[in-house]
Amino acid sequence: GQQLNQSPQSMFIQEGEDVSMNCTSSSIFNTWLWYKQDPGEGPVLLIALYKAGELTSNGRLTAQFGITRKDSFLNISASIPSDVGIYFCAGQPRRGSGNTGKLIFGQGTTLQVKP
Amino acid sequence: SQTIHQWPATLVQPVGSPLSLECTVEGTSNPNLYWYRQAAGRGLQLLFYSVGIGQISSEVPQNLSASRPQDRQFILSSKKLLLSDSGFYLCAWSVLSPGSSGNTIYFGEGSWLTVV
Repeated sequence: GQQLNQSPQSMFIQEGEDVSMNCTSSSIFNTWLWYKQDPGEGPVLLIALYKAGELTSNGRLTAQFGITRKDSFLNISASIPSDVGIYFCAGQPRRGSGNTGKLIFGQGTTLQVKP
Repeated sequence: SQTIHQWPATLVQPVGSPLSLECTVEGTSNPNLYWYRQAAGRGLQLLFYSVGIGQISSEVPQNLSASRPQDRQFILSSKKLLLSDSGFYLCAWSVLSPGSSGNTIYFGEGSWLTVV
């Protein structure tokens, strides 16, 4: 089945550093979503992207929908300790999902921030 | 605004016992509803989705079943739990994003199930 390749799998950075993670797919997507999950909680939507080339910011977070519609990245600037968590990308393939809203998820990037 | 709630938050059940996890959505009508399972804090696996009352699609063969008795209510069940059913279960809902052919999915708080 379709898969998303999310990288890196984990990151350990110093507070204040910038972070970048990305997802790639072999097929074209209609939608790219980025979530953050804290331990023991459900994923929380950070940024939603609906158009190729779209660049969207949410505070210190910036995400882009790749021009080829097969990739997306998420950047976090000036990281702080509360950025710790698992970040997931998710995409809705152009074909086969209809109006079901079925998403394909990446395997997650675990971010640790050292104060 | 829309909200989603699922319960119970944690559950410890013996092997062979039944299961019922419930999820409700407020503030929207005719949402798509989903049950996901997450093992070891990574990897979200779609178990069931529903586009309307009584309409359930299963993504993977398993020991679980889902039902949607009302528009905004989604229930995950099992008649006899297995050890392998342990995990973190997430209910979610979505709506077709305006001006887009894609959906945005919002998750509940999750339910921890431990089968002993």
